Amino acid sequence: DVKVTQSSRYLVKRTGEKVFLECVQDMDHENMFWYRQDPGLGLRLIYFSYDVKMKEKGDIPEGYSVSREKKERFSLILESASTNQTSMYLCASSTQVEQYFGPGTRLTVT
Amino acid sequence: RKEVEQDPGPFNVPEGATVAFNCTYSNSASQSFFWYRQDCRKEPKLLMSVYSSGNEDGRFTAQLNRASQYISLLIRDSKLSDSATYLCVVTPQTGANNLFFGTGTRLTVIP
Repeated sequence: DVKVTQSSRYLVKRTGEKVFLECVQDMDHENMFWYRQDPGLGLRLIYFSYDVKMKEKGDIPEGYSVSREKKERFSLILESASTNQTSMYLCASSTQVEQYFGPGTRLTVT
Repeated sequence: RKEVEQDPGPFNVPEGATVAFNCTYSNSASQSFFWYRQDCRKEPKLLMSVYSSGNEDGRFTAQLNRASQYISLLIRDSKLSDSATYLCVVTPQTGANNLFFGTGTRLTVIP
């Protein structure tokens, strides 16, 4: 069975903290993605990766970075968390046809 | 202009009703089209792909109109379990790995 896991379901951080969100997939997919989802804005792509150590900016990369050292793991990093980064963060991995999402991490920055 | 636009709803329909959602996309070169379903507080999951010839999966029918750049989803004989948000999704070009998501249309099926 397809599985994408994320390190935390809920996270509360303070402004200025460095935040790591981890995502692991067990399907040997090459493509992995990080999105944030906000009411009225839908899912917006932050970064994606099509191979180990490869990354591409999505629509809203500002304030974020990513790391992909192993095929199964894709990390999203908030270098200095801000309140406008409070959101639901969803990781996905994909075949050519379908994206499989993790359960999401609800991050609150206070 | 957004890549993908949907009516956010909400659509509140009685059980057994037929309901249709439309979605428009801005890039005429878009190649692949999908409907995803997202339950409350859950992650999105693929409902069905949308083909040029239209496709049907049980009570669900998806259609694509390239000339008008819209995609539709028809749900017949609505069930309570169909209550969810339906996301229209478009791939901008052949071989592209990234998807553009609509903001979703919320459906509530009422007993």
